Amino acid sequence: GIQVEQSPPDLILQEGANSTLRCNFSDSVNNLQWFHQNPWGQLINLFYIPSGTKQNGRLSATTVATERYSLLYISSSQTTDSGVYFCAVVFDAGGTSYGKLTFGQGTILTVHP
Amino acid sequence: DAGVIQSPRHEVTEMGQEVTLRCKPISGHDYLFWYRQTMMRGLELLIYFNNNVPIDDSGMPEDRFSAKMPNASFSTLKIQPSEPRDSAVYFCASSLTRATGQETQYFGPGTRLLVL
Repeated sequence: GIQVEQSPPDLILQEGANSTLRCNFSDSVNNLQWFHQNPWGQLINLFYIPSGTKQNGRLSATTVATERYSLLYISSSQTTDSGVYFCAVVFDAGGTSYGKLTFGQGTILTVHP
Repeated sequence: DAGVIQSPRHEVTEMGQEVTLRCKPISGHDYLFWYRQTMMRGLELLIYFNNNVPIDDSGMPEDRFSAKMPNASFSTLKIQPSEPRDSAVYFCASSLTRATGQETQYFGPGTRLLVL
């Protein structure tokens, strides 16, 4: 079936460390977003990245659509980076799936001072 | 812009009561989505609207759930009667169609619902 798998499920870092989160998806997509859910539960947009590479400060993301994966890089991590990181995709179903974001189960990141 | 606005932020009710969740999308956005987040099922899409018209409600769990969008700036999600298993965080999101097609969905702060 249609799946979005994220790894690792949990990640513990010391402040200043770098990390890579991965998102694998089972079929062609025409939308892929990365979100950060902070400890207060708010879902914050990080990237809209169905293909290619983007950077925003200490964060960057790369999606290789042909190989069906996306990576989120966090450099020089800070305690405020803690939370859950979600990958969400809209599978390409010939125009009938617009907006139907399917979420992965998330990666729980804890950054210690 | 104020972003997507949801109310109430927290709701505690007793089983059998009617619950109404409210959402104001970002001004000018033409798509509105309702999602639910639970520990067991994660984040899942319930229903979405385009230009106030419901497009896909296949994620709505059962007839106890209904959603409306009477105008471009307001939507409601109603649960009647509520049950303890409806306890979850309900998110509203909106997006704007562009010439390039799919676009970023922006999420509201969510409504945390507890049904006792």
